Order: sequence, then C-alpha cells, then structure tokens
Amino acid sequence: DIQMTQSPASLSASLGETVSIECLASEGISNDLAWYQQKSGKSPQLLIYAASRLQDGVPSRFSGSGSGTRYSLKISGMQPEDEADYFCQQSYKYPRTFGGGTKLELK
Amino acid sequence: EVQLVETGGGLVQPGRSLKLSCVASGFTFNNYWMSWTRQAPGKGLEWVASITNSGGSTYYPDSVKGRFTISRDNAQNTLYLQMNSLRSEDTATYYCTRDFRGAWDYWGQGVMVTVSS
Repeated sequence: DIQMTQSPASLSASLGETVSIECLASEGISNDLAWYQQKSGKSPQLLIYAASRLQDGVPSRFSGSGSGTRYSLKISGMQPEDEADYFCQQSYKYPRTFGGGTKLELK
Repeated sequence: EVQLVETGGGLVQPGRSLKLSCVASGFTFNNYWMSWTRQAPGKGLEWVASITNSGGSTYYPDSVKGRFTISRDNAQNTLYLQMNSLRSEDTATYYCTRDFRGAWDYWGQGVMVTVSS
C-alpha cells in the first residue's frame, strides 16, 4: 500500500498568513493526488485534484503543487473560514489512501 | 444540484450485518463510479469500497474485503454497502461519494454506524 505522510499534524496561522501543508508518498504517484477540507461536524469537501487543479467554486487562495512523491497545499492568506482539517489522498493505486490530516487553526 | 443521501446506519452487535443505502440525485448516476469512505470518531479518513459506473467491477481494501459488498441499482439511482461480520473497528461515519478523476467531488452528509454489544 502507498503510505501518505502528511505534515504538520497541526498548525496555527494568523489572519492573512500564507500556510503550507505537505504530503509525502511512499512511492511516486504521478500527480494522482487530491486535497480535501473538512470543517468541524461537516463532510469533507474537495479542494484540489490532480495535484494542482482547483475544484470549481474553491477560492483561488488555495493552490496545489508537487510531483513524484512530494506534494503541497498552499493557502495564500489565511481566512477565518479556512479553520478546518485538511487531508491529502492518492488515487494512483488501490487501495486509495489518505494522509493523517492537518488541523489548521486561526491564531 | 448534486445530492447524496445516506441511510441505514445505527447500532449493531459485533458479528451482525447492516446495509447502507445512498440515493443520488442531480446528476446522471450511471455515468459515474461511486465509492464509500469512512471516518472513525475523531480519526482520519479511510476508503472502504468503489464500484464502476456499470457495476461490473468493485474494489476494496484488505480491511473490509470479504466482509463488505458494494453494489448499485442504476435504475433507482442508489448505491449500497452491505456490511457483514461487523467488528468494533468498523464503527465510523460512512460517506457516500461520487468519483471524479480519482478524487471524490461530492460527499453525502454521512451515516453513523456503531458496532457494540
């Protein structure tokens, strides 16, 4: 199985600060990577697919990048509504696997 | 508007069975692969099962293979998850999801399954 190591596990950011979350795959996943946001008590929401493609309706302050085994999600300008858990997920091979998650809080 | 509405959750004893349903609306159901993903209380996400748009192929992780069965009725726009031989570690919120380019672009509200004696 492909292991997805996500970091950091938690972080705190000030309003307007730029935030980065990383995912490291145990083998190359050819950009088959998605990022999800999950607010407290809600279902996850797709932010980014194919490593860098912004899902319709997602604010442009969210962006994804990376290749091979290393991928990142950037939030350019933290907003109060961005306080949430974030997960990466690979779809390169079965079983589909997720990162452990990052808890993002507003400082 | 795309909607996925799960039903069928509840409290069940270890070793027993439960069947979840997910009614889809707002899109052409038989054009899309569908999946189930779960989240144990306070934990991360775990993929549970996927099915092709025709229903001809299914995929499972080892943790549920042989115990869970995903199926669909395209005439009724409904996705199912039959869960047998349930264990305490199957306790989770189960989400019905629509597949989109390897990701899941729509999620249901989730249904809670608690396995306990």
